[in-house]
Amino acid sequence: DSGVTQTPKHLITATGQRVTLRCSPRSGDLSVYWYQQSLDQGLQFLIQYYNGEERAKGNILERFSAQQFPDLHSELNLSSLELGDSALYFCASSVEGRLQETQYFGPGTRLLVL
Amino acid sequence: GQSLEQPSEVTAVEGAIVQINCTYQTSGFYGLSWYQQHDGGAPTFLSYNALDGLEETGRFSSFLSRSDSYGYLLLQELQMKDSASYFCAVRDRSGNAGNMLTFGGGTRLMVKP
Repeated sequence: DSGVTQTPKHLITATGQRVTLRCSPRSGDLSVYWYQQSLDQGLQFLIQYYNGEERAKGNILERFSAQQFPDLHSELNLSSLELGDSALYFCASSVEGRLQETQYFGPGTRLLVL
Repeated sequence: GQSLEQPSEVTAVEGAIVQINCTYQTSGFYGLSWYQQHDGGAPTFLSYNALDGLEETGRFSSFLSRSDSYGYLLLQELQMKDSASYFCAVRDRSGNAGNMLTFGGGTRLMVKP
């Protein structure tokens, strides 16, 4: 158990819908990273927040957005969902704002878009 | 951007030693990380090499050669529970000039009795 929690574990929805994934970092960690893992694309970095501010951005689609709240939990919002958005979504956390190679991953949210 | 190459699959028997290679092409290099992921599970950090040489942590060791843009993960005394996917990763510049981790495609290790 990494100490990072994610909800929900599974999510099934339809194309065109919007969902929100939630992540709570390890106690004391200020950075949250979001990743998408699909069979054809592997593990892809989406975005990082540090202490409420966006710190780094990967190949995140415009239909996706994220934020980090004052209590440091983070939410990833996925809208206008397409079949290709079906994937595992992980969040990870680390202590500092600068990139750390040691990141602690949550159990993931498995999203299925039908 | 960065690119990393690692074999897609490796098979070994219990008790054996296996080496998973990773070659990378980078515009700037800080170090090489390794993560383990069991089926249906989350990636777990294994090791990080910033300098050339071998780092040992129990049955797992990781090696880096910066001049060859190459590293490997060495797993000794293989156990069935080592069956998992192993990812190498390097630091990269992100779209807004922050830093991010770029992962290789992963090597699926199957340990047979």
